[in-house]
Amino acid sequence: DQQVKQNSPSLSVQEGRISILNCDYTNSMFDYFLWYKKYPAEGPTFLISISSIKDKNEDGRFTVFLNKSAKHLSLHIVPSQPGDSAVYFCAASEAGGTSYGKLTFGQGTILTVHP
Amino acid sequence: GAVVSQHPSWVICKSGTSVKIECRSLDFQATTMFWYRQFPKQSLMLMATSNEGSKATYEQGVEKDKFLINHASLTLSTLTVTSAHPEDSSFYICSASDPRLVYNEQFFGPGTRLTVL
Repeated sequence: DQQVKQNSPSLSVQEGRISILNCDYTNSMFDYFLWYKKYPAEGPTFLISISSIKDKNEDGRFTVFLNKSAKHLSLHIVPSQPGDSAVYFCAASEAGGTSYGKLTFGQGTILTVHP
Repeated sequence: GAVVSQHPSWVICKSGTSVKIECRSLDFQATTMFWYRQFPKQSLMLMATSNEGSKATYEQGVEKDKFLINHASLTLSTLTVTSAHPEDSSFYICSASDPRLVYNEQFFGPGTRLTVL
């Protein structure tokens, strides 16, 4: 049962344009969401996060949008740069209970930014 | 951000041997550490949650006798793959939760590539 889904395995974007990475979830108990960037043979690097009390969080070129009613979040990268090329994972966690702190990851989306 | 290290970064071993992987939080004390496994072109799968001074909590389907986890201090957790077999070959990643942060964000180590011959 895939509770966090990234339905696009890959995305190709021209340098300078916007990259939009999407993520859907099914567990209504999730209330904190994160995006990680990962290069091959390396651990994920934290990018940006958002809690369920917000619908938008911005950090430089990265903005995450959360639509709780649709159980959907997206990561926008503007402008995209070749160095952004990597695998992007969205992850979700619950606030409390036995699952507190545990992250559930999506399958990842390979972003390629062409010069 | 917080720094997490893993050692070794890669290891090759013979079938039947045991391999220990270390995970350290370098600039913060991590009461909770997590161990993940990633197969090629797949997502990170949580194996277990490790709390300092107590037994690890394993996810469904993960053999606790196969993957021994020890979290003896606030900065070190170890994963030992016992009697390793070729199907245990994978990329193992640890993360540490920083309790100083509001949502206890997890910071990941660089990973360990295990190849069992």
